[in-house]
Amino acid sequence: EVVLTQSPGTLSLSPGERATLSCRASQSVSSSLLTWYQQKPGQAPRLLIYGASSRATGIPDRFSGSASGTDFTLTISRLEPEDFAVYYCQLYGSSWTFGQGTRVEIK
Amino acid sequence: EVQLVESGGGLVKPGGSLRLSCAASGFIFSNAWMSWVRQAPGKGLEWVGLIKSKAAGGTTDYAAPVKGRFTISRDDSKNTVYLQMNSLKTEDTAVYYCTADVPELGHGEFDYWGQGTLVTVSS
Repeated sequence: EVVLTQSPGTLSLSPGERATLSCRASQSVSSSLLTWYQQKPGQAPRLLIYGASSRATGIPDRFSGSASGTDFTLTISRLEPEDFAVYYCQLYGSSWTFGQGTRVEIK
Repeated sequence: EVQLVESGGGLVKPGGSLRLSCAASGFIFSNAWMSWVRQAPGKGLEWVGLIKSKAAGGTTDYAAPVKGRFTISRDDSKNTVYLQMNSLKTEDTAVYYCTADVPELGHGEFDYWGQGTLVTVSS
């Protein structure tokens, strides 16, 4: 079973800064099956990026995703106050697997 | 507007049973793969299980920790998916989210989420 490892666990940044979140798969996977979600406190997660790099409907273009081998990256170009949240990557392979999450907090 | 509304959560003793329901609207339910995802208090997300659309065979799949204890079913005439949970353990305590994977984006991600329902397993 593929394991997804997200880093860092917590990212402390200021509004306006760039955020770079990593998700590494334990073995080679199809990038078309990698997804990113955002979860704010007390809310359900919401779909951000699917197929590693396609933004879901209504997601601002400051969010982008990329892939390189087993490494996947979610980038938020300029953090807005509403972007401080927990972000999860997820893979569809032989099963459905989540990373452990990265918290983006206000510095 | 897409809506997924879960119900049926609550407090149950270890070894007990509970059935969650999820009523869907705003998309073609019969085409969607429906999953349950849970989140223990203060923890991350964990996929629980899935039922595919009838067109995809209507098959189910479950995460190892719940296999043999949980059963997912669907009623396309009612746009509703169910999660029957038996032999509950304290470690099943979590918010349970109903999710929909619609074919427009391909399959494999959780496109829509309900608001979640809390299941607490405690004596």
